[in-house]
Amino acid sequence: EDQVTQSPEALRLQEGESSSLNCSYTVSGLRGLFWYRQDPGKGPEFLFTLYSAGEEKEKERLKATLTKKESFLHITAPKPEDSATYLCAVRASLGGGGADGLTFGKGTHLIIQP
Amino acid sequence: DVKVTQSSRYLVKRTGEKVFLECVQDMDHENMFWYRQDPGLGLRLIYFSYDVKMKEKGDIPEGYSVSREKKERFSLILESASTNQTSMYLCASTIGETQYFGPGTRLLVL
Repeated sequence: EDQVTQSPEALRLQEGESSSLNCSYTVSGLRGLFWYRQDPGKGPEFLFTLYSAGEEKEKERLKATLTKKESFLHITAPKPEDSATYLCAVRASLGGGGADGLTFGKGTHLIIQP
Repeated sequence: DVKVTQSSRYLVKRTGEKVFLECVQDMDHENMFWYRQDPGLGLRLIYFSYDVKMKEKGDIPEGYSVSREKKERFSLILESASTNQTSMYLCASTIGETQYFGPGTRLLVL
């Protein structure tokens, strides 16, 4: 069974204090690892897709990296508007339970204090 | 711009009512999905569809059904709503490997 575990569950940082969020996964054949940002009461907003170990993607203050067992979302010099819940998800090879849907972690709730 | 819309942001229904949640995408996508999101449980896949009139069960299909009569529209149906179906419902459609989500419908069943 595919599993995604995110840590920490919650993280409070000061503005400008860089940190990393972790997503560890167990999947039978990774077709993609996805990062989303979700604001309260809204749908997840797509950030990045990573396909293979060693791959990196960047967008503004965010950088996502991927190894064979985990992914990190690095946040550099965050601002209060970066406060949100960050979700990690994996898409496994066809044939597993829930075949083509994503398996999500429970998210990291990030708060950036001014 | 990717556009996935859901018919309602908030719904309040009574136990036993039949409930329809509508999702529309304007990008000619073949794959569409319904998830529910609950505190402490995260997002869980209910049903998905590869094409018109095609549907597949996700991880938690019990108590739900779906309909896809047109490519752009994917409906989630609660045949007889129960209080344990109070949740945030999220629709998504796919470009390549990436799923894009709608704004969500928060359903309260009394």
